[in-house]
Amino acid sequence: RKEVEQDPGPFNVPEGATVAFNCTYSNSASQSFFWYRQDCRKEPKLLMSVYSSGNEDGRFTAQLNRASQYISLLIRDSKLSDSATYLCVVMIMEYGNKLVFGAGTILRVKS
Amino acid sequence: DTGVSQDPRHKITKRGQNVTFRCDPISEHNRLYWYRQTLGQGPEFLTYFQNEAQLEKSRLLSDRFSAERPKGSFSTLEIQRTEQGDSAMYLCASSFPRQGATEAFFGQGTRLTVV
Repeated sequence: RKEVEQDPGPFNVPEGATVAFNCTYSNSASQSFFWYRQDCRKEPKLLMSVYSSGNEDGRFTAQLNRASQYISLLIRDSKLSDSATYLCVVMIMEYGNKLVFGAGTILRVKS
Repeated sequence: DTGVSQDPRHKITKRGQNVTFRCDPISEHNRLYWYRQTLGQGPEFLTYFQNEAQLEKSRLLSDRFSAERPKGSFSTLEIQRTEQGDSAMYLCASSFPRQGATEAFFGQGTRLTVV
């Protein structure tokens, strides 16, 4: 079983739609959680950290459920520019705070 | 530019040759990570340094791969006797863990093609 699992998609949505991505992690020693965005042939860039209480940044909302070992990302009012791969990332404390990436979820927003 | 810098950006090499990549992290960052990424996959962990100490090396990494961070600043990743399967994007990231903030920042990567 992979340490971090995501639905690869692709998610094809119209502009203005709301879309949600889910991610599960297997290691209960996971300490910190992030969503990264990666454009084609570019490096991953931090989108947002995920806090236990949930957090929001503009159109983006992240949630964490430690009991179920589940992370989500909600994007409201999708823009064409949101088209990218979204990577779920966990930091695992028992490995000296190693960052482990999921394979990513592809989002395509169409006009 | 004060971000993570990687050099070269692209490298084409013949099978069997050795290659070395360099990463310059953000200056105050004490953690440095190396990842490998192939098409359609997320970044795969290779190794990780805290200052000059290499804390972990992936079990997936063969003995042909070695990384150093001699003075706790820049790092090098060497691949010896390259194989076609080594073709990938090699990404470096750095972080400075502090209370409530452990995110890592990536360089633009080195794209390796082994022919």
